[in-house]
Amino acid sequence: QAVVTQEPSLTVSPGGTVTLTCGSSTGAVTGGHYTHWFQQKPGQAPRTLIHDTSNKHSWTPARFSGSLLGGKAALTLSGAQPEDEAEYYCLLSYSGVWVFGGGTKLTVL
Amino acid sequence: EVQLLESGGGLAQPGGSLRLSCEASGFTFSNHAMSWVRQAPGKGLEWVSGVSNSDGSTNYADSVKGRFTISRENSKNTLYLQMNSLKAEDTAVYYCVKGGWGNYYDYWGQGTLVTVSS
Repeated sequence: QAVVTQEPSLTVSPGGTVTLTCGSSTGAVTGGHYTHWFQQKPGQAPRTLIHDTSNKHSWTPARFSGSLLGGKAALTLSGAQPEDEAEYYCLLSYSGVWVFGGGTKLTVL
Repeated sequence: EVQLLESGGGLAQPGGSLRLSCEASGFTFSNHAMSWVRQAPGKGLEWVSGVSNSDGSTNYADSVKGRFTISRENSKNTLYLQMNSLKAEDTAVYYCVKGGWGNYYDYWGQGTLVTVSS
């Protein structure tokens, strides 16, 4: 089974920009991995932010965007808000078997 | 409004069985793939299994293959997860998620806690 890697933790200043990445042990992440990004706050169920690399849901704040960057999937937060402090997980598809990354704890400080 | 309501969690002994259910509403259940995701206490998310909407095809994580069975009953708008030969490491909150199998993931249930302990 593939291993999906994320930064364990990142810190961003309020109003700042930060990029979280998601890599695959099998090689470059491509559109065929149908990358998803999820946000989870303590005590809550996860919430889907991005699907299929860069597509937002109706509830996804405009300050979040998804892309492919240097062989990895990326989630960029532009103009961080205090309420963005959370754990962020990426999810990749490997021919119908899905694998989560270990998560990135994002601190807004 | 889309709602996913999990039930069936609780305490099970090692080697025992449990069946989780997820009752869906607010969308046409039969048109969408569905999945189960779990989260052990203090740990990250783990994809467990998915079932297609079209022909009932299924997929499983290696960690549960051969022990867990996902199924769906479209007439009841309900997703199931039959968990057999339970191990301590299956202890987790289990989430029902709309999506998978070529459908993107969007809505999540609130989860049901499964504890495997003697």
